[in-house]
Amino acid sequence: GAGVSQSPSNKVTEKGKDVELRCDPISGHTALYWYRQRLGQGLEFLIYFQGNSAPDKSGLPSDRFSAERTGESVSTLTIQRTQQEDSAVYLCASSLSLFGAGTGELFFGEGSRLTVL
Amino acid sequence: DQQVKQNSPSLSVQEGRISILNCDYTNSMFDYFLWYKKYPAEGPTFLISISSIKDKNEDGRFTVFLNKSAKHLSLHIVPSQPGDSAVYFCAASRPGSARQLTFGSGTQLTVLP
Repeated sequence: GAGVSQSPSNKVTEKGKDVELRCDPISGHTALYWYRQRLGQGLEFLIYFQGNSAPDKSGLPSDRFSAERTGESVSTLTIQRTQQEDSAVYLCASSLSLFGAGTGELFFGEGSRLTVL
Repeated sequence: DQQVKQNSPSLSVQEGRISILNCDYTNSMFDYFLWYKKYPAEGPTFLISISSIKDKNEDGRFTVFLNKSAKHLSLHIVPSQPGDSAVYFCAASRPGSARQLTFGSGTQLTVLP
């Protein structure tokens, strides 16, 4: 596709349920990032992928969070046993390389808004 | 610990005037700084960046200034246009794996016609 695509755009779930958020990066972009934005706050880094590998998972808030990437393309962020504090917009971004091909430019999707009741 | 701070949550400016958005950082390891712009229901889009070896970078109506000694950067928009109304995020990056960006909390700019 032309841009980074995320689904679902909106997800309302009950506390304790599992959710999966999907990201389709720009074709050919080897680097993929997940961020989240809580209400009134900045973007919080969660995890990045270089190819299908995620060398550093320390940004994930808890062990309820996991992410994978396959085919150097689609990535899925999974949140198990959701809690109300997980409510946020989850943003995916991709770039040609780990440093946005020199400019630091990341291309963001529109985000998935998660509401945990 | 917020390493990148945007202390003004909002700013209103008259069309045609200058908009100045400010950003402070605490981590002296940051060596690359970026500004992103975000419209409602859209993802952030890259606007302009600056390396720590420079103190100014200009792109059309947008200029970013970096004061390393004060750990401060600013984005100037001249002249401001109503279409510039958006949330502006300051971000910083340091050498190391992935160069993930550390973002500020954003400033909502409103340009009044």
